[in-house]
Amino acid sequence: GENVEQHPSTLSVQEGDSAVIKCTYSDSASNYFPWYKQELGKGPQLIIDIRSNVGEKKDQRIAVTLNKTAKHFSLHITETQPEDSAVYFCAASKEQGAQKLVFGQGTRLTINP
Amino acid sequence: DVKVTQSSRYLVKRTGEKVFLECVQDMDHENMFWYRQDPGLGLRLIYFSYDVKMKEKGDIPEGYSVSREKKERFSLILESASTNQTSMYLCAYGTNHNLDFGPGTRLTVT
Repeated sequence: GENVEQHPSTLSVQEGDSAVIKCTYSDSASNYFPWYKQELGKGPQLIIDIRSNVGEKKDQRIAVTLNKTAKHFSLHITETQPEDSAVYFCAASKEQGAQKLVFGQGTRLTINP
Repeated sequence: DVKVTQSSRYLVKRTGEKVFLECVQDMDHENMFWYRQDPGLGLRLIYFSYDVKMKEKGDIPEGYSVSREKKERFSLILESASTNQTSMYLCAYGTNHNLDFGPGTRLTVT
């Protein structure tokens, strides 16, 4: 089955700098890659996703890139702000249905003022 | 606009107790899910349900059962709690690929 590896497990950056979180997946048939953000005391929330027919997607300060050949995808956050501090999860899926999502291990991002 | 509520934020139970974790969604969705979240392991699916009285095993169903008697309510049951079930439990509803999670219940089994 699908396996998703996420790195790093913790990441600390200065406010205003960029942060990058990387994930690799094992099943070349996977075609949907969402990212979830979990703030303290809350459940994870979908922040951006990408499908295998595109290589990059942006939404304001966040972007996701996908390299299908290498089977990895990354989350990029630019001009980081204190409210970006959270745990981020990547996931991958090759079939329709939320139950098919396989999650990475999570990255705790801390933005230092 | 709270969509998913979980009955408790924190719960402490003793080994061998029967534990009920309740989840209610107000969006009239068919699909509901139970995950557990552990450091270094991410989110792992325990059970999910497509409709009332229907349930499917996820990736780690051992030691758990579920109940869905009404569309809006999905309960996770630990028949005999063990210390290795100490974890954060997240309920969610989902459409297609996307999941909307509740705030979670942190369960400690002593």
